[in-house]
Amino acid sequence: RKEVEQDPGPFNVPEGATVAFNCTYSNSASQSFFWYRQDCRKEPKLLMSVYSSGNEDGRFTAQLNRASQYISLLIRDSKLSDSATYLCVVTPYSSASKIIFGSGTRLSIRP
Amino acid sequence: NAGVTQTPKFQVLKTGQSMTLQCAQDMNHEYMSWYRQDPGMGLRLIHYSVGAGITDQGEVPNGYNVSRSTTEDFPLRLLSAAPSQTSVYFCASQETGGTEAFFGQGTRLTVV
Repeated sequence: RKEVEQDPGPFNVPEGATVAFNCTYSNSASQSFFWYRQDCRKEPKLLMSVYSSGNEDGRFTAQLNRASQYISLLIRDSKLSDSATYLCVVTPYSSASKIIFGSGTRLSIRP
Repeated sequence: NAGVTQTPKFQVLKTGQSMTLQCAQDMNHEYMSWYRQDPGMGLRLIHYSVGAGITDQGEVPNGYNVSRSTTEDFPLRLLSAAPSQTSVYFCASQETGGTEAFFGQGTRLTVV
């Protein structure tokens, strides 16, 4: 089983829609969680950290469910510019120096 | 502020050639790492370092060497290039474990 698993998509949704992705992780002792965004042929960039109580940044909401070992990302009122691949990232407690990436979920917003 | 700088951006190698991918960061980060990204596979960790003089293997280390003689630089060496090493390579740095990773722009390597 992969340490971090994501639905690869692609998710193809109309502009203005709400879309959500989940990411599951296998190590119950994992400590830090993030969502990164990667545009085509570019480097990944941090979208937001994921905190235990959940957090929001504008149209983006991230949540952590430790009991079920998953994190989620919700995008409201999606824009064309949200089209990208979204990468789930986890730092395992036992290897705090490493970060583990999911394979990414492709999102395409259509006009 | 340059952040993480990778060179070269593109490279074509013949099977059996060796080369070094350069990575430098100017943020005084202790943690640096190398990833490769293949279609549908996400980023896979090759090698990482938690400080000058300290390196360790990641998920896919075979065929690659690293060294960390300074905080700023973390070069990745391909010993004898193989077509299976055709990929996009990203270098990243972090202040400490569990913090935001900053990436270089990537090196697109093709081995023929």
